Amino acid sequence: AQSVTQPDIHITVSEGASLELRCNYSYGATPYLFWYVQSPGQGLQLLLKYFSGDTLVQGIKGFEAEFKRSQSSFNLRKPSVHWSDAAEYFCAVGFVTGGGNKLTFGTGTQLKVEL
Amino acid sequence: DTEVTQTPKHLVMGMTNKKSLKCEQHMGHRAMYWYKQKAKKPPELMFVYSYEKLSINESVPSRFSPECPNSSLLNLHLHALQPEDSALYLCASSQGTGDITDTQYFGPGTRLTVL
Repeated sequence: AQSVTQPDIHITVSEGASLELRCNYSYGATPYLFWYVQSPGQGLQLLLKYFSGDTLVQGIKGFEAEFKRSQSSFNLRKPSVHWSDAAEYFCAVGFVTGGGNKLTFGTGTQLKVEL
Repeated sequence: DTEVTQTPKHLVMGMTNKKSLKCEQHMGHRAMYWYKQKAKKPPELMFVYSYEKLSINESVPSRFSPECPNSSLLNLHLHALQPEDSALYLCASSQGTGDITDTQYFGPGTRLTVL
């Protein structure tokens, strides 16, 4: 069965510092991976996705993620964090079942940005 | 445009009330989803509609009744809910290709409180 692990429940960084959020997945086939961000009380916004090809994926808001098959990881990075990046970040793996397309989410990482 | 709209933003209801949540998209997507998200938790899939037909029901109690009147609109009818049903209800849509690359786009959610 597929699963996603986000080892860090909370992360605090200073504004302007670099950021890396960790995501590890377990999936028997080729994984299809996503990062979503959720601001308080809001819906989920897609940051980036990986299906195939170049293992370094660029997303919106200056985020990027690197797929490493050997480590079963899909870590999210940003070189310089802005205060507005404070939010909850979810990694997800997508898969197709008989009924349709499903996402399995990790438990999320809460990012706090110190000014 | 990747906008999914949801109404109302907030809803407070008693356990004997009947209410409905509404979700709308005008991206030509043919798959629509309902998720439930409790505080500090990832979204949990409830229902999937594909081409206006219910394709996935994740063993959701019958007090939640989904409806897809057309390809742009998805409703969630609520009746005899329990306080533990209080949560953020998220709607999402995707092209409905059935392919794993079928990316889901989320609405802002409806914050439901059951008294």
